[in-house]
Amino acid sequence: DAGVTQSPTHLIKTRGQQVTLRCSPKSGHDTVSWYQQALGQGPQFIFQYYEEEERQRGNFPDRFSGHQFPNYSSELNVNALLLGDSALYLCASSPLGVRTGGPGANVLTFGAGSRLTVL
Amino acid sequence: QQPVQSPQAVILREGEDAVINCSSSKALYSVHWYRQKHGEAPVFLMILLKGGEQKGHEKISASFNEKKQQSSLYLTASQLSYSGTYFCGTVNAGGTSYGKLTFGQGTILTVHP
Repeated sequence: DAGVTQSPTHLIKTRGQQVTLRCSPKSGHDTVSWYQQALGQGPQFIFQYYEEEERQRGNFPDRFSGHQFPNYSSELNVNALLLGDSALYLCASSPLGVRTGGPGANVLTFGAGSRLTVL
Repeated sequence: QQPVQSPQAVILREGEDAVINCSSSKALYSVHWYRQKHGEAPVFLMILLKGGEQKGHEKISASFNEKKQQSSLYLTASQLSYSGTYFCGTVNAGGTSYGKLTFGQGTILTVHP
């Protein structure tokens, strides 16, 4: 049973460029969340997608946008990259329980992440 | 506002015990614990719901004090495989979070032979 897969694993961009990161959720999961993890820090919530809509958003600027496809996979787009955007971007999926807000809704399965370096 | 974890780092010998604490200034619905090894994805350990529940996972257990909005992770008879960074993630009470976890800054646990 495949877990959460992310691509690419590493990428290097320059300031001002745009980047797209991709995520396939674990089988049976329909909700995808994106987190940014700076070096030595805990993951920070960017946003969450369910039923192809952004359901929740953390404290990130509009330069960060996303999309969820009918097969539940998701993309994270970051425009006008800044040096401070350098981080590990983690995708996490969660099961159907998110609809009811039950405890299982919050159990996240993380991917290994995409390491973004902005020069 | 993110929960605060303490200590920031712990160094143990195999077989020793450790406690990692997580405190929040907000009323919580649940507390989650994850472990992340270097270069790997965070892995779910356990979830605790409000009500003072205590859960266990092998020799790792945790408690949740709802009144104090605090959770503690107990690692008993530590093994080399326990090394990694431990994160608590919290879901605020109020029913609007829908799976939004706010993580602490992490506690680095190192177990030596």
